Amino acid sequence: SQQGEEDPQALSIQEGENATMNCSYKTSINNLQWYRQNSGRGLVHLILIRSNEREKHSGRLRVTLDTSKKSSSLLITASRAADTASYFCAARGGSYIPTFGRGTSLIVHP
Amino acid sequence: GAGVSQSPSNKVTEKGKDVELRCDPISGHTALYWYRQSLGQGLEFLIYFQGNSAPDKSGLPSDRFSAERTGGSVSTLTIQRTQQEDSAVYLCASSTGLAGGAGELFFGEGSRLTVL
Repeated sequence: SQQGEEDPQALSIQEGENATMNCSYKTSINNLQWYRQNSGRGLVHLILIRSNEREKHSGRLRVTLDTSKKSSSLLITASRAADTASYFCAARGGSYIPTFGRGTSLIVHP
Repeated sequence: GAGVSQSPSNKVTEKGKDVELRCDPISGHTALYWYRQSLGQGLEFLIYFQGNSAPDKSGLPSDRFSAERTGGSVSTLTIQRTQQEDSAVYLCASSTGLAGGAGELFFGEGSRLTVL
């Protein structure tokens, strides 16, 4: 399975600042997906970037993918207190099993 | 239904009892996944279904854990003789199963299990 490991484990910022979190994986992929989790409940899909894409935007989210380094980054611009959550990546490839790391816990202070 | 539905949302049980957790995936989704998340930890893969068959059971932590899926829809995760270390949030997700298994996962809200 393709491993997704997020970094840093925790991130604390002020409202209005940008938040950047990173993801590393081990094998070739078809796409990489980012998810958000509030308060230990279900994960919500945020954005998917395909292996032939280098950058993708969705609202205040910007995702980059570097397949040569097997890494991705998620940037949240102009953060809000409501962005406080845990963020996970899942690297999807030939395996049908998406694996998730421990996530990045983001706290945005008002 | 509109989303993935899991029940119960919370379950408190005594050590040694059996529990059943239910997942009702999005209609038409052929792929179904069970994960476990302990407090402050990542998601631990348990089992994957494609239709009614389970090609990958590698994540089930012991033979006390079993799961089935019937009619290509509802799945039940059963934990026998529960132990305190089984306490966790059990998450179910479904997917269309298309795109070579690389599609988006839709998660339920989870079942929080507490074993006393």
